[in-house]
Amino acid sequence: NAGVMQNPRHLVRRRGQEARLRCSPVKGHSHVYWYRQLPEEGLKFMVYLQKENIIDESGMPKERFSAEFPKEGPSILRIQQVVRGDSAAYFCASSPLDRGRLETQYFGPGTRLLVL
Amino acid sequence: DAKTTQPPSMDCAEGRAANLPCNHSTISGNEYVYWYRQIHSQGPQYIIHGLKNNETNEMASLIITEDRKSSTLILPHATLRDTAVYYCIVRVAIYRDDKIIFGKGTRLHILP
Repeated sequence: NAGVMQNPRHLVRRRGQEARLRCSPVKGHSHVYWYRQLPEEGLKFMVYLQKENIIDESGMPKERFSAEFPKEGPSILRIQQVVRGDSAAYFCASSPLDRGRLETQYFGPGTRLLVL
Repeated sequence: DAKTTQPPSMDCAEGRAANLPCNHSTISGNEYVYWYRQIHSQGPQYIIHGLKNNETNEMASLIITEDRKSSTLILPHATLRDTAVYYCIVRVAIYRDDKIIFGKGTRLHILP
């Protein structure tokens, strides 16, 4: 967990509200990944971004979910009109340009979203 | 889909070696074996990886069978802080993206 920051660490929302999760990658890393972990389940890939580009969003629900990684600032995972089923831990990971080296991918501490 | 099979849970006494098995019978010649762990309420943490030779670092050792169809992660002197879910992953070294496909992993309980 070398340097990936996620905030907030815990987020409570009521059904229908919006949730915005932020991820600041390790300095110098230009690749960001978002994963979701539902209670008592393993981690599932959601989306892979490079600066200003979405590379692979095959794991992200088509409705209500969006992600961005702007030129400046953190990556944002946005969930609109949250439902109880969105309650989960959301993890961000970052890696530098040297693709294929999984050992250089670092995970953040996660944001735990609870939808009431 | 994860291409590995791991036992859902294991117990190990504190101070003893913890040996976590993983089956990857369909592994390809250019695929590496990676191990990660996730301690409760934290993000996954890289442990070790290897291709066909045994590997050792400050955290663990990785033993890969000659036919590469299975491997064992060894924590030589388990402590209570090693209680976690351990994930075994196989993937090629050079890949178009770095997304990790996690399986269900092994929940390791270190017993005092």
